[in-house]
Amino acid sequence: AQTVTQSQPEMSVQEAETVTLSCTYDTSESDYYLFWYKQPPSRQMILVIRQEAYKQQNATENRFSVNFQKAAKSFSLKISDSQLGDAAMYFCAYRGMDSNYQLIWGAGTKLIIKP
Amino acid sequence: NAGVTQTPKFQVLKTGQSMTLQCAQDMNHEYMSWYRQDPGMGLRLIHYSVGAGITDQGEVPNGYNVSRSTTEDFPLRLLSAAPSQTSVYFCASSLLAGGRETQYFGPGTRLLVL
Repeated sequence: AQTVTQSQPEMSVQEAETVTLSCTYDTSESDYYLFWYKQPPSRQMILVIRQEAYKQQNATENRFSVNFQKAAKSFSLKISDSQLGDAAMYFCAYRGMDSNYQLIWGAGTKLIIKP
Repeated sequence: NAGVTQTPKFQVLKTGQSMTLQCAQDMNHEYMSWYRQDPGMGLRLIHYSVGAGITDQGEVPNGYNVSRSTTEDFPLRLLSAAPSQTSVYFCASSLLAGGRETQYFGPGTRLLVL
């Protein structure tokens, strides 16, 4: 069975600086999707970025980028120029191609932005 | 385009009561699902549907029923609420293929069972 691990329960960063959130996963599949979702205090689950495993190029969305290392089964999220509005829980999620479209979730990382 | 909507936002139930959590989407998504989120954990799949008339169980289906009579709606029913069902419930939807499988989430329903 696939698993997703986020080893950092909490991270803090100074406003305007860069922070990297870690995620590792375990799978025997060769093709899959990986996602980072943000959950602010409102509890709304918001997609931050997605990566298709067959693409070697790392996904980027404005200040958010990933470092996808397929062989190492690692999928970290880098947030540049951190802003107060980035404070939230961040969840890493995996979706295989053979699954019931289920997203497998990590336990989350709480990101604190220091002004 | 409202996306995924959920009602109610918050509900308190007594043990043994029944209720239905509503979920609707206006994006013509084939896939709809229900997750629950418990403290310190990621989301866990309860039930899902790949189209009208088709539903199946996820990781934690016990105590919950679903139906999918239309593409737009996917209600989740608790037949006899238990304190262990206290949680935040999220509905999500997506297309099924074509590289557009990203799941979009509703705002959540917070359920407290006393």
